[in-house]
Amino acid sequence: AAGVIQSPRHLIKEKRETATLKCYPIPRHDTVYWYQQGPGQDPQFLISFYEKMQSDKGSIPDRFSAQQFSDYHSELNMSSLELGDSALYFCASSLMNSGNEQFFGPGTRLTVL
Amino acid sequence: KQEVTQIPAALSVPEGENLVLNCSFTDSAIYNLQWFRQDPGKGLTSLLLIQSSQREQTSGRLNASLDKSSGRSTLYIAASQPGDSATYLCATQVETTDSWGKLQFGAGTQVVVTP
Repeated sequence: AAGVIQSPRHLIKEKRETATLKCYPIPRHDTVYWYQQGPGQDPQFLISFYEKMQSDKGSIPDRFSAQQFSDYHSELNMSSLELGDSALYFCASSLMNSGNEQFFGPGTRLTVL
Repeated sequence: KQEVTQIPAALSVPEGENLVLNCSFTDSAIYNLQWFRQDPGKGLTSLLLIQSSQREQTSGRLNASLDKSSGRSTLYIAASQPGDSATYLCATQVETTDSWGKLQFGAGTQVVVTP
């Protein structure tokens, strides 16, 4: 079965640079979520989209923005990167009216030097 | 704000023993609860989803129960194997008008099954 695809899997950036993370949800899923997991921490919700509209927002810095496109893929844009942004970034997708079980992608490991 | 707690934080058992992992949450107005498995540095694998109207779910050697009124869920893994070694996280979706769908995670239980 198709799973959530994230790219790139690993990303190394310098401080103050920008990064773009991509997420391709499971086909027919209508909701995408972004989570950030710091070292030794549990995942923290950043932002979500339902049918291409932002549906909820968590503790996402103003330096980050995200959108969902017409083909349902989503991108997380991160600017003015800081050392503290180093983390695993997960994308998850779900079908809202079918129990809303969330399926996670393999994550993008971002390292900021 | 929903708070999710998992006890114990770490657990080591010999192969063949049953595992019991506990999860508690403060806001009982949940839409569902999910149990995940995470291997070091890897993604989260969904193990079981329990809807708020359900009392338990089973998949193979895994069984999860839900007591919404007391804010508790328990994950049972029967006849543990070394391959079950991982961190297990529970997460809830709270049903409110302004917070739909996001998962609130516990800190996880790190499990080691020794051969």
